[in-house]
Amino acid sequence: KQEVTQIPAALSVPEGENLVLNCSFTDSAIYNLQWFRQDPGKGLTSLLLIQSSQREQTSGRLNASLDKSSGRSTLYIAASQPGDSATYLCAVKGGSYIPTFGRGTSLIVHP
Amino acid sequence: ETGVTQTPRHLVMGMTNKKSLKCEQHLGHNAMYWYKQSAKKPLELMFVYNFKEQTENNSVPSRFSPECPNSSHLFLHLHTLQPEDSALYLCASSPRSGRDSDTQYFGPGTRLTVL
Repeated sequence: KQEVTQIPAALSVPEGENLVLNCSFTDSAIYNLQWFRQDPGKGLTSLLLIQSSQREQTSGRLNASLDKSSGRSTLYIAASQPGDSATYLCAVKGGSYIPTFGRGTSLIVHP
Repeated sequence: ETGVTQTPRHLVMGMTNKKSLKCEQHLGHNAMYWYKQSAKKPLELMFVYNFKEQTENNSVPSRFSPECPNSSHLFLHLHTLQPEDSALYLCASSPRSGRDSDTQYFGPGTRLTVL
C-alpha cells in the first residue's frame, strides 16, 4: 500500500526566503506526482504535475523535482511571499489511478 | 473560482438525519469525484464517476451513497452517519478519469459536522 509522507508538517518563515518542501513515497511504481495548494476553508489548486518519466517541472517561482528511484519529490519556492501562505499537499498516482495524498505542509510566510 | 461549486458550505446533522451534498461543475468535464478530508487522515478519494458511471468506490461505507444524474452534477447522500464522519467533503472534476485525469479542479468543500 502506497504511503506518502510530507516533511515538515509546518513551517514559518520570513518573507523573501527560499523554501524546500519534501514529499516521500514508499512505492516507486508511480504514474505521476502532483503538488497542490490548499487555502483555509477552500478546495485544492493544482500547482505542478510531474509525470513518472520527468525529472522536474517549473512554474514561476515554483520548481518541483522527482526522484522516482529514491521515492522523493521536492517543491522549491523561491523568494517566498505572504501570499504563499497555505497548506501544500503532495499526491502520488500509481497503477490503480487512485491518488494517495500526504498530510501536507502548513506554510506561513510573515512580512 | 474554479468552476466547481458545492452546497451547502456547512452542514450540521444528527446521526439519524438524512441529508445530501451537492456538487456542480461548469467546465464541461466528464469525470467527477468525491473526496473526504478529516483532521486525522490525509485526503482520501471516495468515489469516481466517468460519463455518469461509477468507476471507483474506494471501500466507502454504505451510509454514503453517491448519485451522478449527469456529467455536471454529483450528489452525496448521507444517512445514519457517525461522529467520525465529520470532515470536509470535497468535490472535484476533470476532463476524464483514470490515467488521463491529471488535472482535477476542486470545489470549496462542505464542512460536515455529525453530532
